[in-house]
Amino acid sequence: EVQLVESGGGLVQPGGSLRLSCAASGFTFSDQYMDWVRQAPGKGLEWVGLTRNKANSYTTEYAASVKGRFTISRDDSKNSLYLQMNSLKTEDTAVYYCGRVGYYVISGYYGATHYYYMDVWGKGTTVTVSS
Amino acid sequence: DIQMTQSPSSLSASVGDRVTITCRASQSISNYLNWYQQKPGNAPNLLIYAASTLQSGVPSRFSGSGSGTDFTLTISSLQPEDFATYYCQQSYSVPRTFGQGTKVEIK
Repeated sequence: EVQLVESGGGLVQPGGSLRLSCAASGFTFSDQYMDWVRQAPGKGLEWVGLTRNKANSYTTEYAASVKGRFTISRDDSKNSLYLQMNSLKTEDTAVYYCGRVGYYVISGYYGATHYYYMDVWGKGTTVTVSS
Repeated sequence: DIQMTQSPSSLSASVGDRVTITCRASQSISNYLNWYQQKPGNAPNLLIYAASTLQSGVPSRFSGSGSGTDFTLTISSLQPEDFATYYCQQSYSVPRTFGQGTKVEIK
């Protein structure tokens, strides 16, 4: 069964740090890009960032709201994804989801077109930033 | 960053109704558009990618259309299990922004 399980959430004071983990199973983790998405209480979805796979040098991208404070990493030997969150603010309070990035490729005359989407989601882990 | 705007923000409908949700991008994103469904207390679930391709296992009453800046998610005959919040997301560029969501409620 394809599964993602987040852990590491909790209560932290403003300015503090927290590291979230996402354990993957049921698929070849090392092949996949992986995303983090968050959802503040009663609000919509906010894309946090992504990590690409080894073939794409494990490069990362971040939303402007977290860039410089959050770091995404992965350990393919452990089938695990991480989100290191530093300098936390009250507005970082949210449920954090990890997600597998699926892709659909169409080959054409001018090359291949890649469509990316989150096709597997974890159940989420809750982070509360409060004094 | 590309802004995604959904309309309406919420709607009330009855079982059996045809429901249409619109998503507009602040610039052209070709057909790099995903739709997700989220029920309270649950993670989102992928419905459609590449604007119109139905994810495996998703009922055929869901369909997507559009290209460029304007997109539509249609539920042809609303079922009780479809009452949820729906989000669009562009995958044209990073950051991969979401719309604000459309909540579909029971009339």
